[in-house]
Amino acid sequence: AQSVTQLGSHVSVSEGALVLLRCNYSSSVPPYLFWYVQYPNQGLQLLLKYTTGATLVKGINGFEAEFKKSETSFHLTKPSAHMSDAAEYFCAVSDSGGYNKLIFGAGTRLAVHP
Amino acid sequence: NAGVTQTPKFRVLKTGQSMTLLCAQDMNHEYMYWYRQDPGMGLRLIHYSVGEGTTAKGEVPDGYNVSRLKKQNFLLGLESAAPSQTSVYFCASSYFGGGSPLFGPGTRLLVL
Repeated sequence: AQSVTQLGSHVSVSEGALVLLRCNYSSSVPPYLFWYVQYPNQGLQLLLKYTTGATLVKGINGFEAEFKKSETSFHLTKPSAHMSDAAEYFCAVSDSGGYNKLIFGAGTRLAVHP
Repeated sequence: NAGVTQTPKFRVLKTGQSMTLLCAQDMNHEYMYWYRQDPGMGLRLIHYSVGEGTTAKGEVPDGYNVSRLKKQNFLLGLESAAPSQTSVYFCASSYFGGGSPLFGPGTRLLVL
């Protein structure tokens, strides 16, 4: 069965520090991988996705993620955190049953301190 | 384009009451989905549709029914609400192929 594990339900960083949100997945087929962000009382917004090809994927707002097949990981990073990055982040893997269905991790809430 | 819209934004129900959540999209997407979000559990798929007139069960379908009579609308029904259905419900849609699902703003439901 496919699954997504996000290590750390809460991550706190200082403004200007590196952001690293961890995501590991299990999938029996080559996965499509996604990161979504959810700001308070809003829906989910796509940050970036990996399908095939280049393993380093760049997204919006300065975020990027690297697909590492050998480690079954898709960690999200940003070199310098901004206060506006405070939100909840969800990693997801495409369901092998198709139709763009997604299997989500439990989410990581990012806090950014001045 | 309005994208994906959901009605209502917030609702309080008593146990045993029924209600329908409406999702609409104006992007001519083929696929539509209903997810529920609960603390510490991420989002879980309730039902989905791959085209007008079609529906299929997701991971947590019990207690819910859906209909997609028009391509742009996807309705989620609760026939007899239970406190366990207190959640935030998100609708999403995507186009045929490898499209990334686009999410609506959510409906917060409280069942007392």
